[in-house]
Amino acid sequence: DGGITQSPKYLFRKEGQNVTLSCEQNLNHDAMYWYRQDPGQGLRLIYYSQIVNDFQKGDIAEGYSVSREKKESFPLTVTSAQKNPTAFYLCASSTLAPDTQYFGPGTRLTVL
Amino acid sequence: GNSVTQMEGPVTLSEEAFLTINCTYTATGYPSLFWYVQYPGEGLQLLLKATKADDKGSNKGFEATYRKETTSFHLEKGSVQVSDSAVYFCALNVGGSNYKLTFGKGTLLTVNP
Repeated sequence: DGGITQSPKYLFRKEGQNVTLSCEQNLNHDAMYWYRQDPGQGLRLIYYSQIVNDFQKGDIAEGYSVSREKKESFPLTVTSAQKNPTAFYLCASSTLAPDTQYFGPGTRLTVL
Repeated sequence: GNSVTQMEGPVTLSEEAFLTINCTYTATGYPSLFWYVQYPGEGLQLLLKATKADDKGSNKGFEATYRKETTSFHLEKGSVQVSDSAVYFCALNVGGSNYKLTFGKGTLLTVNP
């Protein structure tokens, strides 16, 4: 089955630690995205990538980093610089055209 | 800039009731419009979309019409079911800027038997 997988589903982190969230897609999509979801705030774009080895900051990139070494993979690292990292993180992918984005199941990160 | 405003929830309905969730937008250029649905603990699923004025998107009994004159994309369903209970997000994407989906804040729908 084609789709987007994210792991782990739940993640706990101590303050001061970096943590990496995995996102893999087998849809052959060129573009991949990371969003953060907080209660009552909708989704906000963290980073996006439209081609391997290239990515751009979204609206709330501070405290996050990404890499895009393979077309299928777009991991997100939440660094200790992110002041309020507890949230639900969603990865998405799309072709460059048309413009529908398809989402993974999400990772819920909790900082203890 | 681009923005999406959707009616605040929560919305609580009885089974077989009529559903409307309002969505209005502001955008530079000519946006594509989307409704996504999120079931508890899951990611977002595309429910329907419309890419130009007067287009009607439909799926699973849900409909929404792209109204350029009122900058709206209201979601409707004639008879809701308990299984429709979820959070619904309206979103837009300005043509060509594939990286930028702008979301509304979401509307929680609860359908009681």
